[in-house]
Amino acid sequence: EIVLTQSPGTLSLSPGERATLSCRASQSVTSNFLAWYQQRRGQAPRLLIYEVFRRATGIPDRFSGSGYGTDFTLTISRLEPEDFAVYYCQHYATSPPMYPFGQGTKLEIK
Amino acid sequence: QVHLVESGGGVVQPGRSLRLSCAASGFTFTNYGMQWVRQARGKGLEWVAVISNDGGATLYADSVRGRFTISRDNSRNTLDLQMNSLSAEDTAVYYCATSPRSASSTGTGYWGQGSLVTVSS
Repeated sequence: EIVLTQSPGTLSLSPGERATLSCRASQSVTSNFLAWYQQRRGQAPRLLIYEVFRRATGIPDRFSGSGYGTDFTLTISRLEPEDFAVYYCQHYATSPPMYPFGQGTKLEIK
Repeated sequence: QVHLVESGGGVVQPGRSLRLSCAASGFTFTNYGMQWVRQARGKGLEWVAVISNDGGATLYADSVRGRFTISRDNSRNTLDLQMNSLSAEDTAVYYCATSPRSASSTGTGYWGQGSLVTVSS
């Protein structure tokens, strides 16, 4: 079973700053099958990134994903007011056959 | 316009069953694997189950395996989750969503607005 650990739990930044969110897997991720989601308060999650670094359709280019093996990063280059939300990573693979989420990182306005 | 609309949530007694449905429209349903994800109040996302685009393969979280069954009807563009032997720990908002694996071929991912399931006597 793969366990995803996100850090920090809460990140306090100001609009215009750069945000770096981490997702660490307990074992190596299969075939780069790692996604990132954004969940704004009171809303359903939204797919941002899939396959570690590919942006989903309509996602602004200030969002980028990177990483390899067990360590992955979501970077938001210049924070906009609407970016303050909770972010989750998800591994998706059939080996092992689980699609777990990380516990989330809350990005809040400083 | 893409829509995923969940239905079937409500209050159910412990040990009883409930069936959730999700109606999909605005996209080619058969191009997507589908998943159910739940979120207890004030908590993070918990993956529940996933089904392949043709319905031939399914995976379940350990917490629901043997109690929940995911299924789909591609002729009606619907996704279902049959939930048996419910307990208070199953209380959550249940989201219907496309599988992130399908984004590899489509570049997109969609989520419904969720359906609240409350297990209480």
